[in-house]
Amino acid sequence: GENVEQHPSTLSVQEGDSAVIKCTYSDSASNYFPWYKQELGKRPQLIIDIRSNVGEKKDQRIAVTLNKTAKHFSLHITETQPEDSAVYFCAARGTGGFKTIFGAGTRLFVKA
Amino acid sequence: DVKVTQSSRYLVKRTGEKVFLECVQDMDHENMFWYRQDPGLGLRLIYFSYDVKMKEKGDIPEGYSVSREKKERFSLILESASTNQTSMYLCASRASGGAKDTQYFGPGTRLTVL
Repeated sequence: GENVEQHPSTLSVQEGDSAVIKCTYSDSASNYFPWYKQELGKRPQLIIDIRSNVGEKKDQRIAVTLNKTAKHFSLHITETQPEDSAVYFCAARGTGGFKTIFGAGTRLFVKA
Repeated sequence: DVKVTQSSRYLVKRTGEKVFLECVQDMDHENMFWYRQDPGLGLRLIYFSYDVKMKEKGDIPEGYSVSREKKERFSLILESASTNQTSMYLCASRASGGAKDTQYFGPGTRLTVL
């Protein structure tokens, strides 16, 4: 069945460094790839998304890249800050699909 | 601003009890979802609904049922709660079609089954 794998499961970086989280998906029909951030005790919230017709998207310190051929997509956070500490989930969904398949999550720690 | 609410933040039940988790959204979204979240397993889809009275099984429907009698409300039912259903339950909603792909989550219900 459809699957999204996410790595690493835990990531610790120093404040100001960059953080990269990588995901792979199995369903080649997937064309929408959102990223959610879940702070401790709070609900997941969409932080950025990308569609299959683009290879990269940026929003301030956050960027997402997509390689459709390899079925890889990644989240890049530059100049990390302590408030970036959270669990990040990648996800994938296909055209007309109801189901969004989530990765297992990455717990990011940003050390001050 | 989309608002998705869940009836309880914390719930403690006993094995064998029938449990109802309620979710309400105020944005007239067609699609609603129930997930459970467990450490290391991410968000796993239990059931979803794309219209009133319509429901589809997700990846882990066993031991659960759902009800959608009104568009804004989606209920998750544990017919006979078991300890392995102790988890965080998240409801979500999403509009249908086009660029309206964002899925909005509720605050979650942490259920403990003793």
